[in-house]
Amino acid sequence: DAGITQSPRHKVTETGTPVTLRCHQTENHRYMYWYRQDPGHGLRLIHYSYGVKDTDKGEVSDGYSVSRSKTEDFLLTLESATSSQTSVYFCAIRETGKDNEQFFGPGTRLTVL
Amino acid sequence: RKEVEQDPGPFNVPEGATVAFNCTYSNSASQSFFWYRQDCRKEPKLLMSVYSSGNEDGRFTAQLNRASQYISLLIRDSKLSDSATYLCVVTRNFGNEKLTFGTGTRLTIIP
Repeated sequence: DAGITQSPRHKVTETGTPVTLRCHQTENHRYMYWYRQDPGHGLRLIHYSYGVKDTDKGEVSDGYSVSRSKTEDFLLTLESATSSQTSVYFCAIRETGKDNEQFFGPGTRLTVL
Repeated sequence: RKEVEQDPGPFNVPEGATVAFNCTYSNSASQSFFWYRQDCRKEPKLLMSVYSSGNEDGRFTAQLNRASQYISLLIRDSKLSDSATYLCVVTRNFGNEKLTFGTGTRLTIIP
């Protein structure tokens, strides 16, 4: 158990509304990631963070922003949700070690109507 | 061409059988390789890292062929609990460790 929680776990919202997803970790990991998973695409990286206030874009960052004001929290914001952002969102942390494996939170299922 | 390609399956295999999956990757600069498993409506969980020399963890064996740019996973004496989707994962960048995922191979073990 990598000590990662995500909230909310499920959310239904309407097009045009802002949405913020939270990822919380308890083990002081430096690297954190946000992915989305859609049928036929596998998991795709949205944004990642390599420290407090240090973030960078992934391959599908359009329409998303992130913030990391504390080591333990990494927030993903959809400024104006669209139906194409209906997806399952996973947060991950990277352990520092021989293989630098990533471990995932339980996911947030987001539906944009 | 996708960076990481897997046969989506499904593979329907009787309990106790041996099953193998392959995964190909397109970027020869890929540095690290992993197999994850994902149960329905759950998060991906690390199954094992894949090393150049090949590695084994119980009933699972992973191999890497850099020359041909493929990774394999072999499951021996398959159990009902092995039913899941298996994700092939590679990384290109040291430091950021941005993972690139295949779309997964679905395995169902039949009693």
